[in-house]
Amino acid sequence: QLQLQESGPGLVKPSETLSLICSVSGGSISSSSYYWGWVRQSPGKGLEWIGSMYYSGSTYYNPSLKSRVTISGDASKNQLSLRLNSVTAADTAVYYCVRLVEIGGLRLGGDAFDIWGLGTLVTVSS
Amino acid sequence: DIQMTQSPSSLSASVGDRVTITCRASQSINSYLNWYQHKPGKAPKLLVYLASNLETGVPSRFIGSGSGTDFTLTISSLQPEDFATYYCQQSYNTLAFGGGTKVEIK
Repeated sequence: QLQLQESGPGLVKPSETLSLICSVSGGSISSSSYYWGWVRQSPGKGLEWIGSMYYSGSTYYNPSLKSRVTISGDASKNQLSLRLNSVTAADTAVYYCVRLVEIGGLRLGGDAFDIWGLGTLVTVSS
Repeated sequence: DIQMTQSPSSLSASVGDRVTITCRASQSINSYLNWYQHKPGKAPKLLVYLASNLETGVPSRFIGSGSGTDFTLTISSLQPEDFATYYCQQSYNTLAFGGGTKVEIK
């Protein structure tokens, strides 16, 4: 059974870089059938898609975060990573690692989030 | 950006009740609408995709309907395990979620 496990610092200082890792077990991020990505949930903004990546290395980002986000994968470790630069208090959220499936939509990058991790809380504070 | 508005934001219901949650898009999204269930401390779960298709393993009491701008998720007979927060999500363009509907025990 596929499982996603997020890990990383729970506290990040303002203006610094948030870095998280998602370890995937029971499946491979090199699968051509799926996309992999990140979603966050903050009290002020609800659920927000951050971005997705495909095994080929193609990435798709939410335009609202695109200038600050990098999502990448390490196939040898079967891990997905998230980097978010220049964080502020508004980036305080629970960050979820997700798998996406295409369901015939008009866009690339996956349409529905069919598997989620439990999430990890990241607080931005000095 | 397409805005997704859910209503109500919360509701109280009893076991056995029929519950309906509404999701409205700010422009037509055809049928590119998914529904999720989220319980505290657990991973969110995909319930319905493309507006009306039940994800494998999801009980048939969950019914999704709608197209264009107006969508509903109906729970035909609320069960104890259904108390949770429900989110809609559009995949017409930039993936975006509604604000959520919390279903609580009356």
